[in-house]
Amino acid sequence: NAGVTQTPKFQVLKTGQSMTLQCAQDMNHNSMYWYRQDPGMGLRLIYYSASEGTTDKGEVPNGYNVSRLNKREFSLRLESAAPSQTSVYFCARGRGTGLTGELFFGEGSRLTVL
Amino acid sequence: GESVGLHLPTLSVQEGDNSIINCAYSNSASDYFIWYKQESGKGPQFIIDIRSNMDKRQGQRVTVLLNKTVKHLSLQIAATQPGDSAVYFCAESYQGAQKLVFGQGTRLTINP
Repeated sequence: NAGVTQTPKFQVLKTGQSMTLQCAQDMNHNSMYWYRQDPGMGLRLIYYSASEGTTDKGEVPNGYNVSRLNKREFSLRLESAAPSQTSVYFCARGRGTGLTGELFFGEGSRLTVL
Repeated sequence: GESVGLHLPTLSVQEGDNSIINCAYSNSASDYFIWYKQESGKGPQFIIDIRSNMDKRQGQRVTVLLNKTVKHLSLQIAATQPGDSAVYFCAESYQGAQKLVFGQGTRLTINP
């Protein structure tokens, strides 16, 4: 799993429900990322965290919040889920500080919003 | 189950042939490029990367070519095997951006 663990792996929500996707890395690296992947599209960046205590918006942040709880954990929260948020969500970690090389991805969390 | 889209560009090759997957990138300031492989139901896996000060880089059975003049990147897979069936994504970044921007992806299928 490239040192990245995501939970849950599958989730079904009703419109308006909230939930948090959890992500933890075991490599003690600074940068972590949340992407979403929709049919026919590549991965799009939702939020990222260059280091503990900092978060920044990516390409598609609306409807999401994130928390970098500590160096290991980076969670993604949907406060009021919408059907448009049905997607596969991937958490990733980088190497060291900032983007100095490739990202390592978790196995994904498949979310369906009814 | 399927983890990526139904309408991706598709490349079909015979087992044992060489595959060439192409990617056009958008940002002329990008200086780092990477290819990922994604198998069904899994997260993307790193294949090979290249920086803009190079135009070719080789790995095990894979070669990445970079043409900055036309903003084009390609991935060549030698002697394609059934295990190479997957969706392949290129991604780009530039120094200080701290994030990768992914292309749409290409589905590679292997004919026996």
